[in-house]
Amino acid sequence: EDQVTQSPEALRLQEGESSSLNCSYTVSGLRGLFWYRQDPGKGPEFLFTLYSAGEEKEKERLKATLTKKESFLHITAPKPEDSATYLCAVMDSSYKLIFGSGTRLLVRP
Amino acid sequence: DTEVTQTPKHLVMGMTNKKSLKCEQHMGHRAMYWYKQKAKKPPELMFVYSYEKLSINESVPSRFSPECPNSSLLNLHLHALQPEDSALYLCASSQDQGNTIYFGEGSWLTVV
Repeated sequence: EDQVTQSPEALRLQEGESSSLNCSYTVSGLRGLFWYRQDPGKGPEFLFTLYSAGEEKEKERLKATLTKKESFLHITAPKPEDSATYLCAVMDSSYKLIFGSGTRLLVRP
Repeated sequence: DTEVTQTPKHLVMGMTNKKSLKCEQHMGHRAMYWYKQKAKKPPELMFVYSYEKLSINESVPSRFSPECPNSSLLNLHLHALQPEDSALYLCASSQDQGNTIYFGEGSWLTVV
């Protein structure tokens, strides 16, 4: 069965303290792995799409990487405005998006 | 700013009411989606339209009725809902099925 597991569930960081979020997955026929950011009460905001192992993408303080079994979202020198829930999702062979439960990130000033 | 626009942002309805949620995108996307999200849970897929035809229905109760009048618009008609249907309803679109999915800000639904 296709499954996406994110860890940790919650993460508290001091401003400037770099860290990584993990997304491990099992899926038949991976068609892409997606990272989204979601602020409370709003829809998910697209961050990255990764298609194959070894691929990396960067945007400001965020960098996403992909292996055959997991993806990491690295946050370098985070700021309070990076506080949000980060959702990982994989697209399976039937084009369905399967979400993990998310990591709630809090960055304290 | 998201290019998927949802209205209304908030809706309160009684269990005997009929209401509709509306969604619009002008990105030329040919796939459109409805998701439901409960508090502190990830989004759950409800329906997928591809080229204006319903392609996926995730066994959603018939009190939810989707409609795709044209390639830019997607509606979700609501009738005889239950309090447990209260949630954030997200519309989304993608260039085609299999491409990156972009979400709207959502419509908060409360059933009383």
